[in-house]
Amino acid sequence: EPEVTQTPSHQVTQMGQEVILRCVPISNHLYFYWYRQILGQKVEFLVSFYNNEISEKSEIFDDQFSVERPDGSNFTLKIRSTKLEDSAMYFCASSDVGSSYNSPLHFGNGTRLTVT
Amino acid sequence: AQKVTQAQTEISVVEKEDVTLDCVYETRDTTYYLFWYKQPPSGELVFLIRRNSFDEQNEISGRYSWNFQKSTSSFNFTITASQVVDSAVYFCALSGSGDDKIIFGKGTRLHILP
Repeated sequence: EPEVTQTPSHQVTQMGQEVILRCVPISNHLYFYWYRQILGQKVEFLVSFYNNEISEKSEIFDDQFSVERPDGSNFTLKIRSTKLEDSAMYFCASSDVGSSYNSPLHFGNGTRLTVT
Repeated sequence: AQKVTQAQTEISVVEKEDVTLDCVYETRDTTYYLFWYKQPPSGELVFLIRRNSFDEQNEISGRYSWNFQKSTSSFNFTITASQVVDSAVYFCALSGSGDDKIIFGKGTRLHILP
């Protein structure tokens, strides 16, 4: 069964550094998402992306965050200047149809980001 | 505003017992979607079920069953004859029609004791 792939599985970075989290969505999917889960807490929506642009973003997704689909397969989340509170598990997800049908999201295994 | 409440933070049951995980939601949308996801200790999020607001039929899939009651805004999840491998955090989630995002509850951590 096709799956969403995220790399790396664990990233350690120093406060203030830039970090890029990478995702390869399922190949025929058109809608892409990033979610975040601070340790032991609930999963929170960050951003959705369709047709090469952001379709919705949360309050968490401030100017230090950006997303990009640099080629036909990758979907990246960049954090420009990491803070301690950015430490979390970051999940990428994709779906084949949009919100009108609320196709179930297929999540990747996550990237655990640790900011020291 | 949309909200999902999972009042049970943590539940422990002995293997083979049945267990029900509660989920109550709030939304003003007339069309919406409800989900359950499982997060095992390995950390990934596994999709279990999606329900739309017009389909109140209960669903059974093996040992899993879901009870959707619009009158009480609840979408409860029951595992019958629980197994140790069912140990995980279970998230209930909600999405409104035309809404890109899914709102997750805080999750219920389920421990199945051997």
